[in-house]
Parts: sequence; C-alpha cells; structure tokens
Amino acid sequence: QITLMESGPTLVKPTQTLTLTCSISGFSVNTGGVAVGWIRQPPGKALEWLALIYWDDDKRYSPSLKNRLSIIRDPSKNQVVLTMANMDPVDTATYYCARRPYSANDLDYFDSWGQGTLVTVSS
Amino acid sequence: DIQMTQSPSSLSASLGDRVTITCRASQSIGTYLIWYQKRPGSAPSLLIYDASTLQSGVPSRFSGSGSGTDFTLTINSLQREDFATYYCQQSDSSPPTFGGGTKVEIK
Repeated sequence: QITLMESGPTLVKPTQTLTLTCSISGFSVNTGGVAVGWIRQPPGKALEWLALIYWDDDKRYSPSLKNRLSIIRDPSKNQVVLTMANMDPVDTATYYCARRPYSANDLDYFDSWGQGTLVTVSS
Repeated sequence: DIQMTQSPSSLSASLGDRVTITCRASQSIGTYLIWYQKRPGSAPSLLIYDASTLQSGVPSRFSGSGSGTDFTLTINSLQREDFATYYCQQSDSSPPTFGGGTKVEIK
C-alpha cells in the first residue's frame, strides 16, 4: 500500500522559509521511472504544480516560483523535502506531495497523494 | 506555459444524470491529459490519464476522450459520491498545468 504524508509547520511568518517533508511508504524514491512532486491549492482556488524530483535526482520547478523553491530526496529516510523561501500571505495553501508513477510515454501525472497540510502565512 | 481552460466552472445535476466536462488546452498536447477528482477535505484522486485511460479501481461510469486541444470527461449515471470538483492537467510540456476546476453540485 502506497502512502505519502506531509509534515511541517502550519503557520509561518512573512519572509520566513517553509520546509515541508513528504514521508513515503510503499515505494522507494529510488524506484526507476518514479518521481515525487509537490502541488498546492490556495483556499477556494485551483491546483498549482510546484516541483518534481525524479528517481535519478533530476529536478523540475515551476518557472514562476523557481527562484524560491528547492526539492531534495533522502533515500535513507525515503523522504522528499521541499523548501520555499520568502513566504508571503499569498502562499497560504494546502500543500500536497504526490507520486508520479513510471510512465512509458513520459507522462507526468500523480496517482497517489498525501492528505495535504494547510500552511498559513501570517504575521 | 500551456493554459488549461475548463468549462463549465460549475454545474448542477441530479443523481443518475450524465455529466460532461470539457477542458481546452491553449496549444496541442496530444493525449497528454489527466483528470482528477477532488472532494472537500480530501486529496485529489486520479481518474483518467493519457486522455482516456481509466485508472485502476475507478468506476467505469467515468470516461475521457479527446486529443490535441479539446478534451472531455463524462460521468454516466451520476452517483452521490461523484459530487466533487474535477480538474484537468496537461503533461505535454513543463510545467504541468491544471485547469481551474469544475464543481459538480447536487441539483
């Protein structure tokens, strides 16, 4: 059974750096063809893709947020960590981590999701 | 970035109805189109990938079609658990982008 679980602060102040951890069971972050991504949803708004890290450590970032984001893997803990710098109230959202499975035609989609963690940015 | 436009943004339907949701891409994406269902307070759930391939475990009343720029999600015989918001996502080019969502409500 695949599970992903997000953890991190629920409240951060403006200008602070957010660090979120995705703890994974049921598959390895080293599994060929697999990636783990982060997606967020501000209250009442649509989903927004943030970042993706592949089994081979290739990384992709949202161009609009690239300068603020960093994603890394920790195979020893089977975790993926996302950091987002210079947080602003508009970054208030539920943050999800999700698995991108192996895809023969290189399709980036997410078949297993964590329950999400609500992060509020406020002073 | 490729823009994904869903229509309608919301709709009201009755149990047993057939519902159709459309998703239009700002440029051709082949069949690199995914559909998710999201219920309030829950994580998104994968329904369909590659425009028409049903994810394992998803009821057969869900179906997807289309290619290029125009795509459709159809729900046959709407069930109570189908009242949710549906999102499309393109995976033809980075960054992956989502549509604005279609909320399916009970009439």
